[in-house]
Amino acid sequence: QKEVEQDPGPLSVPEGAIVSLNCTYSNSAFQYFMWYRQYSRKGPELLMYTYSSGNKEDGRFTAQVDKSSKYISLFIRDSQPSDSATYLCAMSVGGGSNYKLTFGKGTLLTVNP
Amino acid sequence: DGGITQSPKYLFRKEGQNVTLSCEQNLNHDAMYWYRQDPGQGLRLIYYSQIVNDFQKGDIAEGYSVSREKKESFPLTVTSAQKNPTAFYLCASSGEGWNQPQHFGDGTRLSIL
Repeated sequence: QKEVEQDPGPLSVPEGAIVSLNCTYSNSAFQYFMWYRQYSRKGPELLMYTYSSGNKEDGRFTAQVDKSSKYISLFIRDSQPSDSATYLCAMSVGGGSNYKLTFGKGTLLTVNP
Repeated sequence: DGGITQSPKYLFRKEGQNVTLSCEQNLNHDAMYWYRQDPGQGLRLIYYSQIVNDFQKGDIAEGYSVSREKKESFPLTVTSAQKNPTAFYLCASSGEGWNQPQHFGDGTRLSIL
């Protein structure tokens, strides 16, 4: 079983839709959870960073962490064509091992106008 | 503006040739990282450095070498020993403290001639 599983998609939605992106993980030691957005031929851009269970909101984006189920989600409200990108989840155990990020393989999202 | 600059954007390597990818950051970050990204794959850690004049191997260090002579610079050399070097290479950095997230440059795409 891979440490981090992420549905690769592709996911195609109409403009204005609510998008749900998900990752599951097997290592219960993971404490820090990140979502990155990566446009084609660009580097990943940090969207959300959280270290506790529950929800964290930033504008149209909400990150949700459920440590008991080892499941994280990113919700995008009122999706826009500019949200079309690959979304990567990443996580680490923190402490002295925070250098070690484990990434999902990414979900390709297309928002159609 | 503060950020991470990778150069060149595109690089071509001949058989048996070593090539060096540049990564410079002006964020005053202590830690720097090199990742490799292949299509449909997550990011894989090649090398990382948490302090000047010190670096450690990541998961796929064979065929690569690095140096960290200055805080702001972390060049990666892809040697002729790396038999499958075609990939998208990403440099990242993170600030002081074990819970700081990583921020990425815009990558270098390396291809074989």
